[in-house]
Amino acid sequence: QSALTQPPSVSGSPGQSVTISCTGISSDVGTYNRVSWYQQPPGKAPKLMIYGVTNRPSGVPDRFSGSKSDNTASLTISGLQAEDEADYYCSSYTSTYTWVFGGGTKLTVL
Amino acid sequence: QVRLQESGPGLVKPSETLSLTCIVSGDSISGYYWNWIRQPPGKGLEWIGYIYYSGSTNYNRSLKSRVTMSLDASKTQFSLKLSSVTAADTAVYYCARDVYDSSGYYRWLDLWGQGTLVTVSS
Repeated sequence: QSALTQPPSVSGSPGQSVTISCTGISSDVGTYNRVSWYQQPPGKAPKLMIYGVTNRPSGVPDRFSGSKSDNTASLTISGLQAEDEADYYCSSYTSTYTWVFGGGTKLTVL
Repeated sequence: QVRLQESGPGLVKPSETLSLTCIVSGDSISGYYWNWIRQPPGKGLEWIGYIYYSGSTNYNRSLKSRVTMSLDASKTQFSLKLSSVTAADTAVYYCARDVYDSSGYYRWLDLWGQGTLVTVSS
């Protein structure tokens, strides 16, 4: 199972919006709405931000939103804040009952 | 409040077996899948495998020949063994809870341990 493809880095200024893409194949992202997103601040464990492509767990700000088109899922963060600076990983539960992760995207708040 | 805590040796010699345990506090093991995920220094996340509370398992194909997972429901903990380790197995190892909705269709990793660094070196 190949890793999902994410851009290595994105950046934005406070208050702006950024979008992180996550490209897979038909047997993971393309067919199933099982994409989730995780935020990992430096030196800390990942934290769930989005599941089922578009759903936010309780406590996650509504500035974070998810979407999907064909084989590409996206995480959009609007109204960027300094505390959003972290690595972000997408993940998908696949048709072979395994998990696959993206390579991660480093978000820099300028 | 449910918490996961990894424990085990921080240093393992090459060719030996890495053994880690994840202790679940604040909830039972029943009804969930329990995962191990690792992250080499400066790199991304790699899924190792999961064990269901019934004891069934599924492993990453690339690690399958070296991985064994088990759980002890009475102690609310589950374990990972990775044999014949090399320097490439040096990583932070995370345990994570894997939940599903009522239809069983959606899955997500809702809770993670803080991670434990395991270094493979002689």
